Amino acid sequence: DAGITQSPRHKVTETGTPVTLRCHQTENHRYMYWYRQDPGHGLRLIHYSYGVKDTDKGEVSDGYSVSRSKTEDFLLTLESATSSQTSVYFCAIRGTSGNPSLDEQYFGPGTRLTVT
Amino acid sequence: AQKVTQAQTEISVVEKEDVTLDCVYETRDTTYYLFWYKQPPSGELVFLIRRNSFDEQNEISGRYSWNFQKSTSSFNFTITASQVVDSAVYFCALSEQGGSEKLVFGKGTKLTVNP
Repeated sequence: DAGITQSPRHKVTETGTPVTLRCHQTENHRYMYWYRQDPGHGLRLIHYSYGVKDTDKGEVSDGYSVSRSKTEDFLLTLESATSSQTSVYFCAIRGTSGNPSLDEQYFGPGTRLTVT
Repeated sequence: AQKVTQAQTEISVVEKEDVTLDCVYETRDTTYYLFWYKQPPSGELVFLIRRNSFDEQNEISGRYSWNFQKSTSSFNFTITASQVVDSAVYFCALSEQGGSEKLVFGKGTKLTVNP
């Protein structure tokens, strides 16, 4: 158990509304990631963070922003939700064993977001 | 650019059959990492294995085994004597060396094991 929680787990929202998803970890990991999963696409990286206030874009970052004001929380915001953002969103952390060649990413339970 | 191809979209087998899931990757990096994840019907993503590019030894863990061949850029996953509980979507993924280690995923292979 990597101590990752996501909230909410399910959300239905209307087009044009802002939405914020939260990822919370309890183990002080430096790296955190947001992916989206869509049928036929696998998982694709949206944004990631390599420390407090340090974030960068992934493959599908348009329409999303992130913030990390403290180590344990990584927020994903859809400023104005669109139907194309209907997806399952996964947060991940990268375990830090002290040996980078041994680290792997562990995923949270996911958030199912529906934009109507 | 990095890319992972899982050509098998869906596979259906009968319990106790052996099954191999294919994964072919593309990268320009000389150091990289390969992963397999399992996503059962409940939806969570379960880490199975991580392999770095300098370690071409095959790995076996119980009924699971992985065959890494740099010559063919493949990292295939075999389940021996499959069981109904193996039914899931399996993802192969690739990451660059060090730093952020952003994962690039294949599109997944849905495995159904029938009793």
